[in-house]
Amino acid sequence: NAGVTQTPKFRILKIGQSMTLQCTQDMNHNYMYWYRQDPGMGLKLIYYSVGAGITDKGEVPNGYNVSRSTTEDFPLRLELAAPSQTSVYFCASSYDPVGIIGSNQPQHFGDGTRLSIL
Amino acid sequence: ELKVEQNPLFLSMQEGKNYTIYCNYSTTSDRLYWYRQDPGKSLESLFVLLSNGAVKQEGRLMASLDTKARLSTLHITAAVHDLSATYFCAGDNDYKLSFGAGTTVTVRA
Repeated sequence: NAGVTQTPKFRILKIGQSMTLQCTQDMNHNYMYWYRQDPGMGLKLIYYSVGAGITDKGEVPNGYNVSRSTTEDFPLRLELAAPSQTSVYFCASSYDPVGIIGSNQPQHFGDGTRLSIL
Repeated sequence: ELKVEQNPLFLSMQEGKNYTIYCNYSTTSDRLYWYRQDPGKSLESLFVLLSNGAVKQEGRLMASLDTKARLSTLHITAAVHDLSATYFCAGDNDYKLSFGAGTTVTVRA
């Protein structure tokens, strides 16, 4: 299994440009997440999805959009890149066994996308 | 909103000695996670703790959870160089994780 795959690994954008960060998982996980990690900080949740067709905002959603048309894919869209969005972006997935209380499944993380906006 | 605080933020360890990282969280958390991150790398899951009094061990690392005190600890026994990394704890509200700032561990001879 490849796990969680993110592309690209590195990208430099100019202010005002748009781009999509790709994330795909092959573990049939129902939950998927996007986080950003600023230097020397913990991760902050941008958006998450509990299944295909369902998305919701996390702690820092402004300036981003997501979609979840399939179980496997959860792309993150930056519409008008700003310097404040320079960060490392991590996609993650997890399995929530619906109806079972007390799941101990961790979130599985991709390798990250390092994004600089100049 | 679930807030998670770790201390210390930086920890210089001497090989062979024991150390503890503390993780406090502000409100009820469904689960408590510990992750490891090497520089420039992704996050690797270490432990998932569910219930009060839960203790899990893997090699030189042992994690525990006290839900009444809203405290988790990560204990390192006889530190070795390979344990140098940043360790994150995270609380969980309906599978939405809130991370601490991380503890950067450096193990010296």
